[in-house]
Amino acid sequence: QKEVEQDPGPLSVPEGAIVSLNCTYSNSAFQYFMWYRQYSRKGPELLMYTYSSGNKEDGRFTAQVDKSSKYISLFIRDSQPSDSATYLCAMSNTGANSKLTFGKGITLSVRP
Amino acid sequence: GAGVSQTPSNKVTEKGKYVELRCDPISGHTALYWYRQSLGQGPEFLIYFQGTGAADDSGLPNDRFFAVRPEGSVSTLKIQRTERGDSAMYLCASSLQQNTGELFFGEGSRLTVL
Repeated sequence: QKEVEQDPGPLSVPEGAIVSLNCTYSNSAFQYFMWYRQYSRKGPELLMYTYSSGNKEDGRFTAQVDKSSKYISLFIRDSQPSDSATYLCAMSNTGANSKLTFGKGITLSVRP
Repeated sequence: GAGVSQTPSNKVTEKGKYVELRCDPISGHTALYWYRQSLGQGPEFLIYFQGTGAADDSGLPNDRFFAVRPEGSVSTLKIQRTERGDSAMYLCASSLQQNTGELFFGEGSRLTVL
């Protein structure tokens, strides 16, 4: 079993839909939780960062962390075609800018 | 440029050859990371530098892989006796030392071993 499991894809939704992306993990030492977005042929870019449990909102994006269940989520409201990309969850026990363990990613396609 | 620069963007080599991949981080970033991403997978950690020294090299798969950062800026990932299984995208990232939560990734070097 991998340390970080991410829901398999791909995922296709119509424009304007609410998207829910999820990851589970097994390492209870993880304290730092991130979502990265990766466009085709590009490097990942940080979308959301949360320390420990709780919610964080940034525009159309909301990140949730439930450490008791070892479960994290990313919600995208009013999805746009420009949101079409691969979404990677990432976690660390030593710091958000140190060694990260990534999920395998889920490819999202938002249809106009 | 302002971002992390990686060269070459594509490298095709034959099994058994030696390869060097270069990373030029964002100016002023003291931390530098190498990750490897296979098709359909998330990035896997290889090594992390703080300044000139390797702070964590636990992700290097075997002794064919080596990385240096002699002056605390540019880094080179070196792969000896390449194998077909080494084919992947090699991503470099840099960050400020403080815990800002953000790694800035380059566009990667795609390595293909024939």
